[in-house]
Order: sequence, then C-alpha cells, then structure tokens
Amino acid sequence: SQTIHQWPATLVQPVGSPLSLECTVEGTSNPNLYWYRQAAGRGLQLLFYSVGIGQISSEVPQNLSASRPQDRQFILSSKKLLLSDSGFYLCAWLTGANVLTFGAGSRLTVL
Amino acid sequence: AQTVTQSQPEMSVQEAETVTLSCTYDTSESDYYLFWYKQPPSRQMILVIRQEAYKQQNATENRFSVNFQKAAKSFSLKISDSQLGDAAMYFCAYRSGDDKIIFGKGTRLHILP
Repeated sequence: SQTIHQWPATLVQPVGSPLSLECTVEGTSNPNLYWYRQAAGRGLQLLFYSVGIGQISSEVPQNLSASRPQDRQFILSSKKLLLSDSGFYLCAWLTGANVLTFGAGSRLTVL
Repeated sequence: AQTVTQSQPEMSVQEAETVTLSCTYDTSESDYYLFWYKQPPSRQMILVIRQEAYKQQNATENRFSVNFQKAAKSFSLKISDSQLGDAAMYFCAYRSGDDKIIFGKGTRLHILP
C-alpha cells in the first residue's frame, strides 16, 4: 500500500540552530513531492516541490532548502533557524489518481 | 503567477442547512485542476472534491458539490445537510500544468447545533 511518513512530529529548536525534517513515501515510484508550511491559523504556503530526483522548485528564497537524495525521500533543511520559521510543516505527494496526500505534519517551535 | 483567493475567513451554518464557500483563482492556463481540502482540528488534510478544468460538468461527492465557472475563474464548494463533523478549515487549491499546487488561505467553517 502507499503511505507517507513524516518526522519528527514535534520539534522545539533554539534560534540559530539547524533543522532537518524528513519525508518518505512507500509503495510508489517517482512521486511528485511537496513541502508546505502553515503558520498558526493561516493557509498553506508552498515552500518546495519536486517532480523527480534533482528537480526541486523553490517558492520561497529564505533560509530554507530542500533536497531529494532518493526517489521517495524529501528533506527540508535550514542551517540557521529564525523565529519566523515556527509553524506546522506538511509533506505531501501527488498520487497517480491526482490526489495530494499529506503526511501527519511536523510542528516546529523556534525559541 | 497563479493565485487562489478565499474571501471568507470564517463562516457559520446551522446544522442540516446548506452553505457555500467561495474560491476564485487567477491563471493564464487553460488546463488545470482544482481541489477542495478539509482540515479538521486533528490538522490532517483530507481531500473533499476535485475538478478537472476541461470538464464542464460540476463534480459532486455525496453532500459536497462544486460550482465551477471557468470563465469567471470561480470554484465554490456547496455543503448540503451540514453536519457537526463538517466543522473544519476548508482550503481551495489549484494545480498548474507544471504540477505546482497552491492553496488559498482557507475558510473556517463552524456548524451550529
């Protein structure tokens, strides 16, 4: 079966520390992968999306980056976190049936 | 660049009544997809309904239906016979030809018993 895993679920980090959020998809190959951020009480902001290994489109030029080291793995990173990076991060993949399926999310608090 | 606008931050509806959530979008593309997603308090995103732009017939899924007006770039969601479990944030989303998927800011729907 096709599943998506995202971790960690909760993260509390000090300002200036690095970040790594991981997302993996099982049961499919060459999926389209997405990272979104949801600030408190607000909508989903598209951060990065990837239609294949080595193909990552960035929607925000800030201190976040994304990588796709394997076909079904998508990693969101930062070298130095800012207070404004706090939020709820969602990974998703686009199924062959044209359904964007989301992970359970990662809640990041930057102190 | 494409944009998705949801002009109603919050709405309330009496249980068993009908409510319509608005969504407009801006694009120069002719072929695309539109979606409505629901986010309950658990924060898990759930697909409610989807529409292909090339299809003129409005999509329906049980109590949920859309009014897709391509020329007006409007994609509203109608929820009939509202139930307490429908209370959630509802997001309109647009998928472009290059597979970018963007969301509106959402509408929080309250169901009044």
